[in-house]
Amino acid sequence: DTGVSQDPRHKITKRGQNVTFRCDPISEHNRLYWYRQTLGQGPEFLTYFQNEAQLEKSRLLSDRFSAERPKGSFSTLEIQRTEQGDSAMYLCASSHRKGQQETQYFGPGTRLLVL
Amino acid sequence: EDQVTQSPEALRLQEGESSSLNCSYTVSGLRGLFWYRQDPGKGPEFLFTLYSAGEEKEKERLKATLTKKESFLHITAPKPEDSATYLCAVQAAGNKLTFGGGTRVLVKP
Repeated sequence: DTGVSQDPRHKITKRGQNVTFRCDPISEHNRLYWYRQTLGQGPEFLTYFQNEAQLEKSRLLSDRFSAERPKGSFSTLEIQRTEQGDSAMYLCASSHRKGQQETQYFGPGTRLLVL
Repeated sequence: EDQVTQSPEALRLQEGESSSLNCSYTVSGLRGLFWYRQDPGKGPEFLFTLYSAGEEKEKERLKATLTKKESFLHITAPKPEDSATYLCAVQAAGNKLTFGGGTRVLVKP
């Protein structure tokens, strides 16, 4: 399978704990995105990397959230001191831009439940 | 700020009953409009990209069209396996996608 992969698929944690999610993009895709999706809503943009550089962050991304993409390959999203409002599906997408055209392909997501 | 509104929120169809989903958008400098399908508990699956008004794309029972203000996803003679949430998203001058709330489609046999 050469699609986007995410790990873990599910995470249950207690309020105040730290959690880390991993995303492996499609090989040779230099762009990587993180989105968050709550029940019944469309995904909302969190942050974007081109290679290893984090180029854009949403205002939704509080100081408790940090993302990295070392060496421009896989990416991690860490949430510190989790809150119940962080419960959501966290989606990763990757893409490769050709001229003006770019299609983002999504992974299966990590579903987070904060108790 | 880019905005995307999808209607209806939910759609119940009988098998074979064709229908259309609407995606209205407000964006400065559209680079692309995207349709995705999402099954429960899974990530969005790419369906189509439309780049300019008048463009149409087809895939099996699905056909997407684009005007300057909206896009339609037509489902022709749907089958139960077409049941899913259909998401519309726009990409403007930046790189992120801005999504609508989705339309949940249920096709009953």
